[in-house]
Amino acid sequence: GQNIDQPTEMTATEGAIVQINCTYQTSGFNGLFWYQQHAGEAPTFLSYNVLDGLEEKGRFSSFLSRSKGYSYLLLKELQMKDSASYLCAVLDSNYQLIWGAGTKLIIKP
Amino acid sequence: GAVVSQHPSWVICKSGTSVKIECRSLDFQATTMFWYRQFPKQSLMLMATSNEGSKATYEQGVEKDKFLINHASLTLSTLTVTSAHPEDSSFYICSANQAESSAQYFGPGTRLTVT
Repeated sequence: GQNIDQPTEMTATEGAIVQINCTYQTSGFNGLFWYQQHAGEAPTFLSYNVLDGLEEKGRFSSFLSRSKGYSYLLLKELQMKDSASYLCAVLDSNYQLIWGAGTKLIIKP
Repeated sequence: GAVVSQHPSWVICKSGTSVKIECRSLDFQATTMFWYRQFPKQSLMLMATSNEGSKATYEQGVEKDKFLINHASLTLSTLTVTSAHPEDSSFYICSANQAESSAQYFGPGTRLTVT
């Protein structure tokens, strides 16, 4: 079966750095996405990785290792507004998006 | 770019009535549109995938006669919840992408409450 694993919940301090991991086992791979979803709102696109390595975009970076079936989202200089759920999703060989259950990130002052 | 709108943003209806939700890609042509449902504190659940001019593909367990999807153009898809019941109360979100390998961009969601 297809499976995406990410921690259910993480807590971090304002101004710090946090890394949210995602591991996947899917039938084929056509890219991995990270989305941010605030409570009561729809997800917003953060990043897309299809090749191995680190993609940096401001305070957010996303890393991919296809051989390990592993990705992480790195958030730097955390702000209170970063409190949200972070969803990892993988595009499989049929171009179907397989969603993780999401990681709820709690930022404390 | 890649803006998706949804209308209405919230709706309250009586049990037994039907509700139509519109999803539009505003600044791009969407090859595919997706409909999701999300219950409180749960993850997204894909209901169906639709391509313009063809029948939607429904996920297992989703009743196609209850959740009618019409993808009339490359920028518009509609979801009609027929004979709504309180258990259909949920957050309905659409998304669209420009190509198979591109990101899905989400509309703001529609919160449906059936009384």
